[in-house]
Amino acid sequence: QKEVEQDPGPLSVPEGAIVSLNCTYSNSAFQYFMWYRQYSRKGPELLMYTYSSGNKEDGRFTAQVDKSSKYISLFIRDSQPSDSATYLCAMSGRDDMRFGAGTRLTVKP
Amino acid sequence: DAGITQSPRYKITETGRQVTLMCHQTWSHSYMFWYRQDLGHGLRLIYYSAAADITDKGEVPDGYVVSRSKTENFPLTLESATRSQTSVYFCASSRPVWARTDYGYTFGSGTRLTVV
Repeated sequence: QKEVEQDPGPLSVPEGAIVSLNCTYSNSAFQYFMWYRQYSRKGPELLMYTYSSGNKEDGRFTAQVDKSSKYISLFIRDSQPSDSATYLCAMSGRDDMRFGAGTRLTVKP
Repeated sequence: DAGITQSPRYKITETGRQVTLMCHQTWSHSYMFWYRQDLGHGLRLIYYSAAADITDKGEVPDGYVVSRSKTENFPLTLESATRSQTSVYFCASSRPVWARTDYGYTFGSGTRLTVV
Protein backbone atom coordinates (compact mmCIF):
# COMPACT_ATOMS: atom_id res chain seq x y z
CA GLN A 1 0.00 0.00 0.00
CA LYS A 2 1.28 3.45 -0.92
CA GLU A 3 1.71 5.96 1.88
CA VAL A 4 -0.40 8.47 -0.06
CA GLU A 5 -3.28 7.49 -2.33
CA GLN A 6 -4.82 9.91 -4.79
CA ASP A 7 -7.36 9.21 -7.52
CA PRO A 8 -5.56 10.12 -10.78
CA GLY A 9 -8.78 11.00 -12.58
CA PRO A 10 -8.93 12.49 -15.13
CA LEU A 11 -11.69 14.76 -13.92
CA SER A 12 -13.64 16.96 -16.33
CA VAL A 13 -16.16 19.54 -15.12
CA PRO A 14 -18.04 22.50 -16.65
CA GLU A 15 -17.02 26.02 -15.77
CA GLY A 16 -18.58 27.17 -12.50
CA ALA A 17 -18.77 23.68 -10.98
CA ILE A 18 -17.55 22.80 -7.51
CA VAL A 19 -14.58 20.45 -7.66
CA SER A 20 -13.60 18.03 -4.92
CA LEU A 21 -10.16 16.45 -4.90
CA ASN A 22 -9.16 13.91 -2.28
CA CYS A 23 -6.24 11.97 -0.84
CA THR A 24 -5.89 9.33 1.83
CA TYR A 25 -2.73 8.46 3.70
CA SER A 26 -1.47 5.79 6.03
CA ASN A 27 1.39 7.40 7.98
CA SER A 28 0.22 8.87 11.28
CA ALA A 29 3.44 10.88 11.55
CA PHE A 30 2.35 13.30 8.82
CA GLN A 31 1.67 16.70 10.34
CA TYR A 32 1.79 19.12 7.41
CA PHE A 33 -0.54 18.87 4.45
CA MET A 34 -0.24 20.67 1.17
CA TRP A 35 -1.82 20.93 -2.23
CA TYR A 36 0.28 21.72 -5.27
CA ARG A 37 -0.94 22.76 -8.70
CA GLN A 38 1.03 21.74 -11.75
CA TYR A 39 0.40 23.13 -15.20
CA SER A 40 1.49 21.15 -18.23
CA ARG A 41 5.29 21.07 -18.65
CA LYS A 42 5.82 23.13 -15.51
CA GLY A 43 6.99 22.37 -12.00
CA PRO A 44 4.49 22.03 -9.15
CA GLU A 45 3.65 25.21 -7.26
CA LEU A 46 2.32 25.39 -3.73
CA LEU A 47 -1.38 26.19 -3.65
CA MET A 48 -2.52 25.53 -0.09
CA TYR A 49 -0.87 24.56 3.16
CA THR A 50 -2.50 23.32 6.35
CA TYR A 51 -1.34 22.05 9.70
CA SER A 52 -3.61 19.93 11.90
CA SER A 53 -7.20 18.98 11.27
CA GLY A 54 -9.78 21.48 10.10
CA ASN A 55 -10.50 23.76 7.17
CA LYS A 56 -8.48 26.51 5.57
CA GLU A 57 -9.93 28.84 2.98
CA ASP A 58 -8.14 30.98 0.41
CA GLY A 59 -10.39 32.64 -2.13
CA ARG A 60 -12.14 29.95 -4.16
CA PHE A 61 -10.03 27.19 -2.60
CA THR A 62 -10.71 25.31 0.63
CA ALA A 63 -8.36 22.70 2.07
CA GLN A 64 -9.74 20.23 4.57
CA VAL A 65 -7.83 17.81 6.79
CA ASP A 66 -9.33 14.99 8.84
CA LYS A 67 -6.48 13.36 10.73
CA SER A 68 -8.73 10.83 12.45
CA SER A 69 -9.72 9.43 9.05
CA LYS A 70 -6.34 10.16 7.42
CA TYR A 71 -8.15 12.01 4.65
CA ILE A 72 -7.52 15.37 3.05
CA SER A 73 -9.55 17.28 0.49
CA LEU A 74 -9.29 20.32 -1.74
CA PHE A 75 -12.47 22.07 -2.86
CA ILE A 76 -12.53 24.53 -5.73
CA ARG A 77 -15.62 26.74 -5.96
CA ASP A 78 -16.74 28.44 -9.17
CA SER A 79 -14.12 26.56 -11.15
CA GLN A 80 -12.52 28.37 -14.10
CA PRO A 81 -10.79 27.10 -17.25
CA SER A 82 -7.57 28.50 -15.78
CA ASP A 83 -7.91 25.94 -12.97
CA SER A 84 -7.23 23.18 -15.50
CA ALA A 85 -4.08 21.50 -14.21
CA THR A 86 -2.86 18.50 -12.27
CA TYR A 87 -3.36 18.79 -8.51
CA LEU A 88 -1.02 16.92 -6.22
CA CYS A 89 -1.57 16.39 -2.55
CA ALA A 90 1.54 16.27 -0.38
CA MET A 91 2.22 15.60 3.24
CA SER A 92 5.18 15.60 5.54
CA GLY A 93 6.39 14.85 9.01
CA ARG A 94 9.70 16.41 10.01
CA ASP A 95 11.70 15.32 7.01
CA ASP A 96 10.96 14.67 3.38
CA MET A 97 7.61 15.07 1.74
CA ARG A 98 5.40 12.40 0.18
CA PHE A 99 3.27 13.19 -2.84
CA GLY A 100 0.12 11.71 -4.26
CA ALA A 101 0.10 10.66 -7.91
CA GLY A 102 -1.87 13.77 -8.91
CA THR A 103 -5.37 14.31 -10.28
CA ARG A 104 -5.67 15.84 -13.73
CA LEU A 105 -8.51 18.38 -13.82
CA THR A 106 -10.04 19.95 -16.91
CA VAL A 107 -12.56 22.77 -16.57
CA LYS A 108 -14.51 23.24 -19.78
CA PRO A 109 -15.83 26.70 -20.77
CA ASP B 1 16.81 36.54 -11.20
CA ALA B 2 15.83 34.77 -7.99
CA GLY B 3 14.52 31.26 -8.38
CA ILE B 4 15.48 27.72 -9.13
CA THR B 5 16.87 26.82 -12.55
CA GLN B 6 17.24 23.40 -14.08
CA SER B 7 19.27 22.55 -17.15
CA PRO B 8 18.93 21.19 -19.70
CA ARG B 9 15.15 21.36 -20.20
CA TYR B 10 15.24 18.39 -22.58
CA LYS B 11 17.83 15.67 -22.98
CA ILE B 12 18.04 12.53 -25.09
CA THR B 13 20.82 10.11 -24.25
CA GLU B 14 21.79 6.56 -25.06
CA THR B 15 21.69 3.59 -22.73
CA GLY B 16 24.91 3.27 -20.76
CA ARG B 17 25.96 6.91 -21.06
CA GLN B 18 26.59 9.14 -18.08
CA VAL B 19 24.43 12.22 -17.91
CA THR B 20 24.30 15.07 -15.41
CA LEU B 21 21.28 17.22 -14.69
CA MET B 22 21.97 20.61 -13.19
CA CYS B 23 20.06 22.52 -10.55
CA HIS B 24 20.84 26.02 -9.33
CA GLN B 25 18.91 28.06 -6.77
CA THR B 26 19.28 31.66 -5.71
CA TRP B 27 17.06 31.53 -2.61
CA SER B 28 19.95 30.41 -0.35
CA HIS B 29 17.68 27.59 0.78
CA SER B 30 19.58 25.01 2.80
CA TYR B 31 17.49 22.04 1.63
CA MET B 32 17.50 20.77 -1.94
CA PHE B 33 15.76 17.77 -3.44
CA TRP B 34 15.66 15.71 -6.61
CA TYR B 35 12.39 14.06 -7.65
CA ARG B 36 11.38 12.05 -10.64
CA GLN B 37 7.83 12.19 -11.94
CA ASP B 38 6.32 9.25 -13.79
CA LEU B 39 2.74 8.57 -14.83
CA GLY B 40 0.95 6.67 -12.12
CA HIS B 41 3.70 7.21 -9.56
CA GLY B 42 3.60 10.90 -8.96
CA LEU B 43 6.73 12.50 -7.54
CA ARG B 44 9.28 10.16 -6.02
CA LEU B 45 12.27 11.39 -4.07
CA ILE B 46 15.66 10.36 -5.41
CA TYR B 47 18.09 12.24 -3.13
CA TYR B 48 18.00 15.23 -0.88
CA SER B 49 20.50 17.48 0.81
CA ALA B 50 20.15 19.37 4.07
CA ALA B 51 23.22 21.55 3.49
CA ALA B 52 26.44 21.68 1.49
CA ASP B 53 28.33 18.38 1.72
CA ILE B 54 25.33 16.62 3.36
CA THR B 55 23.26 14.33 1.16
CA ASP B 56 20.90 11.45 1.84
CA LYS B 57 18.98 8.84 -0.12
CA GLY B 58 15.29 9.06 -0.87
CA GLU B 59 12.85 6.44 -2.10
CA VAL B 60 14.50 5.60 -5.44
CA PRO B 61 18.27 6.36 -5.28
CA ASP B 62 19.65 3.39 -7.23
CA GLY B 63 21.55 4.40 -10.36
CA TYR B 64 21.88 8.04 -9.31
CA VAL B 65 24.66 10.05 -7.70
CA VAL B 66 24.49 13.55 -6.22
CA SER B 67 26.94 16.04 -4.84
CA ARG B 68 26.61 19.41 -3.17
CA SER B 69 29.84 21.31 -2.83
CA LYS B 70 28.06 24.70 -2.87
CA THR B 71 24.75 25.60 -1.26
CA GLU B 72 23.27 26.86 -4.52
CA ASN B 73 24.05 23.86 -6.75
CA PHE B 74 22.80 20.29 -6.56
CA PRO B 75 23.67 18.26 -9.67
CA LEU B 76 22.18 14.81 -10.28
CA THR B 77 24.23 12.27 -12.24
CA LEU B 78 22.99 9.11 -13.87
CA GLU B 79 26.13 6.99 -13.91
CA SER B 80 25.02 4.59 -16.64
CA ALA B 81 21.63 5.58 -18.00
CA THR B 82 18.94 2.93 -18.45
CA ARG B 83 15.59 3.15 -20.23
CA SER B 84 13.79 2.89 -16.90
CA GLN B 85 15.32 6.25 -16.02
CA THR B 86 13.35 7.95 -18.77
CA SER B 87 11.33 10.44 -16.77
CA VAL B 88 10.78 14.08 -15.89
CA TYR B 89 13.18 15.19 -13.18
CA PHE B 90 12.38 18.03 -10.81
CA CYS B 91 14.71 19.83 -8.49
CA ALA B 92 13.24 21.60 -5.46
CA SER B 93 14.51 23.68 -2.56
CA SER B 94 13.23 24.79 0.83
CA ARG B 95 14.21 26.41 4.10
CA PRO B 96 15.11 24.22 7.09
CA VAL B 97 12.15 22.60 8.84
CA TRP B 98 12.29 25.06 11.77
CA ALA B 99 12.25 28.08 9.43
CA ARG B 100 9.47 27.05 7.08
CA THR B 101 6.42 29.29 7.18
CA ASP B 102 4.36 27.31 4.72
CA TYR B 103 6.24 24.03 4.58
CA GLY B 104 6.24 24.24 0.82
CA TYR B 105 8.98 23.44 -1.61
CA THR B 106 9.95 25.62 -4.56
CA PHE B 107 10.27 23.55 -7.72
CA GLY B 108 12.20 24.10 -10.91
CA SER B 109 10.59 23.68 -14.32
CA GLY B 110 11.95 20.18 -14.77
CA THR B 111 14.23 18.27 -17.13
CA ARG B 112 12.59 15.85 -19.51
CA LEU B 113 15.07 12.99 -20.00
CA THR B 114 14.69 10.27 -22.59
CA VAL B 115 17.04 7.29 -22.59
CA VAL B 116 17.07 5.40 -25.89
